[in-house]
Amino acid sequence: AQRVTQPEKLLSVFKGAPVELKCNYSYSGSPELFWYVQYSRQRLQLLLRHISRESIKGFTADLNKGETSFHLKKPFAQEEDSAMYYCALSGPRQAGTALIFGKGTTLSVSS
Amino acid sequence: SAVISQKPSRDICQRGTSLTIQCQVDSQVTMMFWYRQQPGQSLTLIATANQGSEATYESGFVIDKFPISRPNLTFSTLTVSNMSPEDSSIYLCSVGGGFSGYEQFFGPGTRLTVL
Repeated sequence: AQRVTQPEKLLSVFKGAPVELKCNYSYSGSPELFWYVQYSRQRLQLLLRHISRESIKGFTADLNKGETSFHLKKPFAQEEDSAMYYCALSGPRQAGTALIFGKGTTLSVSS
Repeated sequence: SAVISQKPSRDICQRGTSLTIQCQVDSQVTMMFWYRQQPGQSLTLIATANQGSEATYESGFVIDKFPISRPNLTFSTLTVSNMSPEDSSIYLCSVGGGFSGYEQFFGPGTRLTVL
């Protein structure tokens, strides 16, 4: 079955501390993996995707096919990183594929 | 990118009534998606709406309960029929896959409370 698992409902860290939001997936084939973020009172938006291998707002995520993981990392958390983070996957490269979401992790960064 | 608006932004409804949610996109798109986010839960796909054909529903969702219209390439509606308190959720529409690779763009959501 296709599934995305985010084991932590809430992650609380202090400003400047490293952050790792965990994501594991189950998919038969080669999925596309994404991290979406929802800041307070804003709509859901894309943070990054594994095919781009990019760093956005200091966040990175590496796809580990052996461990079927796509953990989101940032070396030094900022207060403005406080938000809800969703890991998601979609099927093989084709237009208009819907996303399968994890349950999300709330990141709280305090000073 | 795509800009998506939804109406209404929120509503409080009585049990047994129906509510139609509108989704407007600022550009033409082939596929639109409707998701539900129940309190404390993740986003769950309800259906995929293609212009010119019947919507495709996910397991656990049926057309009689969630009829969808897709009259053109920039607009869709989702109706939540014969509502019960269990239908209290945030409903979101999204588009994507054809834009900038596989990014999906989401509307602001409609927060529905059923009493």
